[in-house]
Amino acid sequence: EVQLVESGGGLVKPGGSLRLSCAASGFTFSSYSMKWVRQAPGKGLEWVSSISSSSSYIYYADSVKGRFTISRDNAKNSLYLQMNSLRAEDTAVYYCARVTMVRGLDYWGQGTLVTVSS
Amino acid sequence: QSALTQPPSASGSPGQSVTISCTGTSSDVGGYNYVSWYQQHPGKAPKLMIYEVSKRPSGVPDRFSGSKSGNTASLTVSGLQAEDEADYYCSSYAGSRPQFGTGTKVTVL
Repeated sequence: EVQLVESGGGLVKPGGSLRLSCAASGFTFSSYSMKWVRQAPGKGLEWVSSISSSSSYIYYADSVKGRFTISRDNAKNSLYLQMNSLRAEDTAVYYCARVTMVRGLDYWGQGTLVTVSS
Repeated sequence: QSALTQPPSASGSPGQSVTISCTGTSSDVGGYNYVSWYQQHPGKAPKLMIYEVSKRPSGVPDRFSGSKSGNTASLTVSGLQAEDEADYYCSSYAGSRPQFGTGTKVTVL
């Protein structure tokens, strides 16, 4: 069974940093691209960042470029999102998701809440 | 990098059908047959319901169907059931920057 479990969310002050993790199991993690998607309270889904299976291709939404860094450790079946210079508008539930070009985001984690507030 | 356009809400009585549109451009919806639809219940993670415009993952009821014409994709839920009440989002491959729809809240009356 495919499972994605996020962790690392919490309350952080504006300008602070946080590192999210996503532990994958039930599939060959190293064969799949992965994405981070966020959802602000009461709002829609927003793509944050993508990383290819071997980390060769990495993309960011304009809203987080220069502040967030996506990475993965295929040996540990884990995906990460380092978030720096956090702003109030980064407050959201952050989901990791497995992705293929054909099937889209076919498996999602349960999400982890990041709250940026003083 | 604009979101795909969906109606904010749609509704129907049990047993009826409801169709949700998802309008993009020739750079996303119209340019690729890689449109997917996600269902999200309150407090839950999104769930893939349709991929590649009209294909259903294993376990998704055949009441859910998808189609596309030009720059607009559609999701139809036939034979509405109470558990279909949820938010629905479309998404399209768009090169390196995937697009999500604005979301549609489906209410079962």
